Amino acid sequence: ETGVTQSPTHLIKTRGQQVTLRCSSQSGHNTVSWYQQALGQGPQFIFQYYREEENGRGNFPPRFSGLQFPNYSSELNVNALELDDSALYLCASGGSSTDTQYFGPGTRLTVL
Amino acid sequence: KQEVTQIPAALSVPEGENLVLNCSFTDSAIYNLQWFRQDPGKGLTSLLLIQSSQREQTSGRLNASLDKSSGRSTLYIAASQPGDSATYLCAVRPSAGNNRKLIWGLGTSLAVNP
Repeated sequence: ETGVTQSPTHLIKTRGQQVTLRCSSQSGHNTVSWYQQALGQGPQFIFQYYREEENGRGNFPPRFSGLQFPNYSSELNVNALELDDSALYLCASGGSSTDTQYFGPGTRLTVL
Repeated sequence: KQEVTQIPAALSVPEGENLVLNCSFTDSAIYNLQWFRQDPGKGLTSLLLIQSSQREQTSGRLNASLDKSSGRSTLYIAASQPGDSATYLCAVRPSAGNNRKLIWGLGTSLAVNP
């Protein structure tokens, strides 16, 4: 157990809808990163938050957005869902950007 | 652009064998390299983290080495067990450019047969 939790575990949405995924970081960790992992692929970095500010972003469009709260929990929001957004979404928390990253169990999103 | 490659893509061995998984990266400017395990449909479990100044790390039956100059890391698993069956991914954190993200290989799918 890493102490990082994610909800929901599974989610089914239809194209064009919006979704919010949630992550609760490990205690004491002020950095959270989100990754998208398509089937059979390695995770792709979406963005990272540090002390409630986005401080790094991968090659994802603006319809992928996030929030980090004062208790260091985090949300990933995806608007205007597309079929290709179907993937496992992982959040990872760490004490600093260069420390071990501890991953949650992921949210499996299916877009129909 | 940093690229991470893992060989082999899949491996099937009998229980008890010692085995080596390989990870290579194209840019030696890294902070660290991390090995993870992923069970089917599950999240990632961190196995070992090697800082750029280190040569190896050990945890139980696992030993990871890092040769930054040649862009290579190996994960050695001793006396493999069926419970080791999973996908093993390596990831590097760049020390230049966007160092907020981990860059990942595609993983090695390991099956240990009883």
